[in-house]
Amino acid sequence: KQEVTQIPAALSVPEGENLVLNCSFTDSAIYNLQWFRQDPGKGLTSLLLIQSSQREQTSGRLNASLDKSSGRSTLYIAASQPGDSATYLCAAHGNQFYFGTGTSLTVIP
Amino acid sequence: DTEVTQTPKHLVMGMTNKKSLKCEQHMGHRAMYWYKQKAKKPPELMFVYSYEKLSINESVPSRFSPECPNSSLLNLHLHALQPEDSALYLCASGLSPALAGAEAFFGQGTRLTVV
Repeated sequence: KQEVTQIPAALSVPEGENLVLNCSFTDSAIYNLQWFRQDPGKGLTSLLLIQSSQREQTSGRLNASLDKSSGRSTLYIAASQPGDSATYLCAAHGNQFYFGTGTSLTVIP
Repeated sequence: DTEVTQTPKHLVMGMTNKKSLKCEQHMGHRAMYWYKQKAKKPPELMFVYSYEKLSINESVPSRFSPECPNSSLLNLHLHALQPEDSALYLCASGLSPALAGAEAFFGQGTRLTVV
């Protein structure tokens, strides 16, 4: 069974810092990897989708990379802002979406 | 329209009640999912529907009964729930469970409290 792990579990940074969130998965036979943001008590907002054949995707200040062979993905957030504070989840898409354990991010003004 | 709409947003029910959660999408997606999420945990898969047929049931207790009456609508019928079933219930949709490149879209969830 696919297992998805995210490191770190929690992260607190001052505003303006660049940061990296890590996601690792055990089964490289995935269709794609998707990064989500979740605010407390809310649903999931899709941030970036990386197809299995792609290496990276960018959207604004966000950049996600995928290395299928090593079972790793990273989400890079540039120039962090307090509004980026949320929990970030990665999900590996096999026959279902396998979610990671999440990283809780706090950006301090 | 890239929206998945869930109703109600909040639900409080007693252990003897029967209630239903509703999920709707108009993106032409043929895969729909129910997830359960407890506080500070990732979502856990409950059910997957593919082309209106149940394709995955993750050993969910029978007090949860899914239904997919058409390609746009997914229901979750609840009966005789326990307090430990209190959670955020998330619905998602995608092009197909096995279609490469299928992005998942999630609703905002129903916050369920069982008293």
